[in-house]
Amino acid sequence: GENVEQHPSTLSVQEGDSAVIKCTYSDSASNYFPWYKQELGKRPQLIIDIRSNVGEKKDQRIAVTLNKTAKHFSLHITETQPEDSAVYFCAASGRSSNTGKLIFGQGTTLQVKP
Amino acid sequence: DAGITQSPRHKVTETGTPVTLRCHQTENHRYMYWYRQDPGHGLRLIHYSYGVKDTDKGEVSDGYSVSRSKTEDFLLTLESATSSQTSVYFCAISLRRTSGGDRETQYFGPGTRLLVL
Repeated sequence: GENVEQHPSTLSVQEGDSAVIKCTYSDSASNYFPWYKQELGKRPQLIIDIRSNVGEKKDQRIAVTLNKTAKHFSLHITETQPEDSAVYFCAASGRSSNTGKLIFGQGTTLQVKP
Repeated sequence: DAGITQSPRHKVTETGTPVTLRCHQTENHRYMYWYRQDPGHGLRLIHYSYGVKDTDKGEVSDGYSVSRSKTEDFLLTLESATSSQTSVYFCAISLRRTSGGDRETQYFGPGTRLLVL
């Protein structure tokens, strides 16, 4: 079935360092890949997304890259700050894209140490 | 927050009792979703709706039912709550960002914490 694998499950970095989270998806028909950030006790919030016709997208300190051939995509956060500490989820659009379904990864807990 | 509210925000109930969670949106979005969130499992889709009276199952639908009698409300019912249904439940909507364009971008409600004793 449809599946999204996310690694690592936890990530600890020093403030100012970069963080990379990787996801692999199983359905070659997936064409939309959002990333969400969830702070403790809050709802997941969309931070960046990418479509399959684009290889890379940047928004200030965050970027996402997509390798369709290998069916994996990654989130890159540069110059990390303590407020980047949160759980990050990747997702991929499901097989029946006309329903808007998303398949989520298991999440990565990012800790940025001051 | 895309005009999404959930009620109740917190609930404690006993095993075997029925529970209904409500998701309400004010912006006439067609697509709505119910997820549960558990440690180590991310967000798992329970049921979704693609219009009034149009619903379908997600990956973890057993023990849950849904109804959508009007555009703005999507109800999730636990027919007979079990301890394994203790979780945080999120409702989401798809926001169409361009005319005729993508449906996949989802925005989440604030969540409901459910504890089944």
